[in-house]
Amino acid sequence: ETGVTQTPRHLVMGMTNKKSLKCEQHLGHNAMYWYKQSAKKPLELMFVYNFKEQTENNSVPSRFSPECPNSSHLFLHLHTLQPEDSALYLCASSQGGEDYEQYFGPGTRLTVT
Amino acid sequence: RKEVEQDPGPFNVPEGATVAFNCTYSNSASQSFFWYRQDCRKEPKLLMSVYSSGNEDGRFTAQLNRASQYISLLIRDSKLSDSATYLCVVNYRAAGNKLTFGGGTRVLVKP
Repeated sequence: ETGVTQTPRHLVMGMTNKKSLKCEQHLGHNAMYWYKQSAKKPLELMFVYNFKEQTENNSVPSRFSPECPNSSHLFLHLHTLQPEDSALYLCASSQGGEDYEQYFGPGTRLTVT
Repeated sequence: RKEVEQDPGPFNVPEGATVAFNCTYSNSASQSFFWYRQDCRKEPKLLMSVYSSGNEDGRFTAQLNRASQYISLLIRDSKLSDSATYLCVVNYRAAGNKLTFGGGTRVLVKP
C-alpha cells in the first residue's frame, strides 16, 4: 500500500466505549498529524508528532489520547466521548514540519451515540 | 476576527470562465501559505504552496499580499473537474508552529 491509510473508515461508538483509530504512512515521512473536521467548521489541528515526539497539543480534551510508537504509525485512543465529538478524523503526514506539504489519509467517520 | 477567513461561496462559474477568491489572515507573523483542494467526502490534497513573489501552476495562480494580509487563488479556463472546496492554510511560526485552516471556498463549475 502507498500513501496514508486509516482504519477503520467508519466507527460508531457509545459514550462509554473505548476505541482506537489507526493511521499508517508509507511515505517515509517524519511528521504525523491528527485533525478533526466537523460539519460547517474549518479543519482543526489536534496533535502533531515530529520524529515520534509530540510537538503540539492544541487544547484537545483528555478523552482523546494520541500515541506514536514509530514515525510510520499514529493512533488516536478514544474514551468517554461526547456526541459533539462526532466528526471526520483525518490523519496526515509530511516530510518535515508544518511548512511542508501534508498528505492526508481518507479519514475515519466517527459517530458517537 | 477569525485567524484565517474565507468566503464560503459557492462560486458558480461557467465552464471556461475565470474565477478568483481570497483568503485573509489575521496574524502578520504568518510564515507559510498553501492552497489545498478538498472534493466532497474526500481528504484534502495540496494544490499549491504560495510564495512571496506569487506563483503559477498551469491554470492556477496564487498571490500573496503581506501588506493587506491575504492570499488569492485564480483559476483560468475553469473545468468541470475544478468543482471542489478550496482550503486556505496558514502556518504561523513564532514559538513553534501553528497551522490554521480556513473554512474553505466552494467552487461549482457548470457547463
